[in-house]
This record gives sequence, structure tokens and C-alpha cells, in this order.
Amino acid sequence: AQKITQTQPGMFVQEKEAVTLDCTYDTSDPSYGLFWYKQPSSGEMIFLIYQGSYDQQNATEGRYSLNFQKARKSANLVISASQLGDSAMYFCAMREDSNYQLIWGAGTKLIIKP
Amino acid sequence: DAMVIQNPRYQVTQFGKPVTLSCSQTLNHNVMYWYQQKSSQAPKLLFHYYDKDFNNEADTPDNFQSRRPNTSFCFLDIRSPGLGDAAMYLCATSEPQGPETQYFGPGTRLLVL
Repeated sequence: AQKITQTQPGMFVQEKEAVTLDCTYDTSDPSYGLFWYKQPSSGEMIFLIYQGSYDQQNATEGRYSLNFQKARKSANLVISASQLGDSAMYFCAMREDSNYQLIWGAGTKLIIKP
Repeated sequence: DAMVIQNPRYQVTQFGKPVTLSCSQTLNHNVMYWYQQKSSQAPKLLFHYYDKDFNNEADTPDNFQSRRPNTSFCFLDIRSPGLGDAAMYLCATSEPQGPETQYFGPGTRLLVL
């Protein structure tokens, strides 16, 4: 069965440090996409970054990068030079191309300390 | 800018009093979704529309219904809200194929008194 696992319920990180949020997934579909979303306390779900299963290079979007290790079925989010505004809940999600619905991880609450 | 809009942002209703939440999109996406999200949990899909085709999740209570009168608008009706229905309700849209992600509205926080 499809599954997304985020093993870190919460993390504290010092401002300006890099942070890695873990995500592992399980699927038997050869074609799938992996997504990271940020949800601040305001509640809006903000799309951050996408990685396709056939993409050869790791996705990057500004300070966000996705460390995609296909053999290990992991898709960790890396935030460089963390800022106070990065404090939020972060969700990893997967969509198999045979089914356009998202499968969600439980989320990681990230708190950036000044 | 193309976007997903939800109204109202906050909704207070009484136990058992019907309530309707609305969602509109300017992205012209074929698929629209309604999620329920309780505190510190992942969003839970209630149902989605692929064009006019309605798809209900197996565990969505009968108390929840939805309407999509056209491509741009989708409504969530809660016929008799209970205290357990207090949550954030998120609307999202996407194209059905390819790398397109789901784009979310700002959500409606529902409080049931």
C-alpha cells in the first residue's frame, strides 16, 4: 500500500542554519511525484517543491532543495539558511501517476529559534 | 494572479445548523478537492470532482455533501454540523495528469458551538 513516513514530529533549529526534514515513501507504481508543502499557523497550504520519479536531478527552488534518493525511497527537504518565517508545519506528499490524489505524511513541525 | 479563493475564512455555526463553505478558482483546473484538517494532522480528503464527476471517499460521513455548478466554483455543505466537525476545510485544485501539483486556497476555519 502507498505510504508516506515523516519520522520527525518536531524540530528546533537555530536561525541561519540549514535544516533537513525527512520523508520516506513506499509505492509499487514506477511513475510518481513527490511534493513538499509548508503550512504556517495561518493555515494556508503552500506548495514548495516537486520531484518526479524520473527526474535525473534533485529539484531546487530558491532556498529549498529536495534530496531525492530513489533506491532508498527517500525525498528529504533541505532548507538552507533558515529564517524565522520558516517556522511552520511541513508535509511531504506523494501522487502516483495512476491516481492523481495525494497521499500525505503526518507532518513535521519546524521551529526556528532566533 | 491565478488563485484558489475560499470564503469565508472563518465560519461559526451552531450545532445542527446547516452551513455552506465556498471555493472558487481562476486556474481553470479540471479537478477540485475538499479536505478536512484537524489540528496538527495531515489533511483528510473528503471528496473531489473530476470535471462534473463526483467522487466520494469511502469514509466521508453522509453529513458532508458537495456541489460543483461550473468549472470555477465548488461548495461544501455540512447538513447538520456536530462538534467533531470543527476543523479547517481546505479546497484545492489540480490538473489530473502530469507533474501538476495541487494548489490550495487559504482554508475556512469552522467553529461549531
